[in-house]
Amino acid sequence: AQTVTQSQPEMSVQEAETVTLSCTYDTSESNYYLFWYKQPPSRQMILVIRQEAYKQQNATENRFSVNFQKAAKSFSLKISDSQLGDTAMYFCAFMRNSNYQLIWGAGTKLIIKP
Amino acid sequence: NAGVTQTPKFRVLKTGQSMTLLCAQDMNHEYMYWYRQDPGMGLRLIHYSVGEGTTAKGEVPDGYNVSRLKKQNFLLGLESAAPSQTSVYFCASSDRGSAGRYEQYFGPGTRLTVT
Repeated sequence: AQTVTQSQPEMSVQEAETVTLSCTYDTSESNYYLFWYKQPPSRQMILVIRQEAYKQQNATENRFSVNFQKAAKSFSLKISDSQLGDTAMYFCAFMRNSNYQLIWGAGTKLIIKP
Repeated sequence: NAGVTQTPKFRVLKTGQSMTLLCAQDMNHEYMYWYRQDPGMGLRLIHYSVGEGTTAKGEVPDGYNVSRLKKQNFLLGLESAAPSQTSVYFCASSDRGSAGRYEQYFGPGTRLTVT
C-alpha cells in the first residue's frame, strides 16, 4: 500500500527566509502524481504545486519549487522569500495513475515569523 | 462560479442521531470525494464517485453512506452518529480532462461534533 510520510510536524522561519519541507512516499508504481497542498487557518485546502512522476524536470510555481527525487521517493517543497501569508499547514499527497484517490501525509505546520 | 460548496459549515449531533452533509460543485466535474480530517493526520478518503449514479468506498467508509443522484451534488450520510465521527469533513471534485483531472478542488469543510 502507498504511504506518505512528512517527518517534520512543525517548522518556523523568519520572514524572507527560505524553507524546505520534506516528504517521502512509498510505492511500487512507476507512473503517479505528487502534490503539495496548503491549508491556512481558514481551513480551505489550496493546491500549491503538482509534479508528474514521468517528468524529470522539477515543478516550480513562483516562489514555490519542488525537489523531486524519484529513485529516493522524495518530494520536498522549497518556499523562497517566505511571507507571513505562507503560515499554514502543508500537506504532501500522492495519486496513483490508475485511480483518482489521494493518499495524504500527516502535514507540516509552517510558521513564518515577522 | 462558487466552486465547491458544503452545507452546513458546523453541526453538533447527539450519539445515535442522523444527518446528511451536502456537497455541490458548479464546475461540471465528473469526480467527487468525501474526506475526513482528524488532528495530527492527513485527510482520509471516505467515499468517492467517478460519475453520476456511481459511488465507491474509500479508506474509511464504515458508518457512512453516500449518493450521487445528480452530477453536481454528492451527499454524505451518517445514519447513527458516533463520537468517533467527530471530525472536519471535506468534499472535493476533479475533472476528467487529461490536464485537470488530477487536481482536486476542495470545499470549505464542515466541522461535525458528536456528543
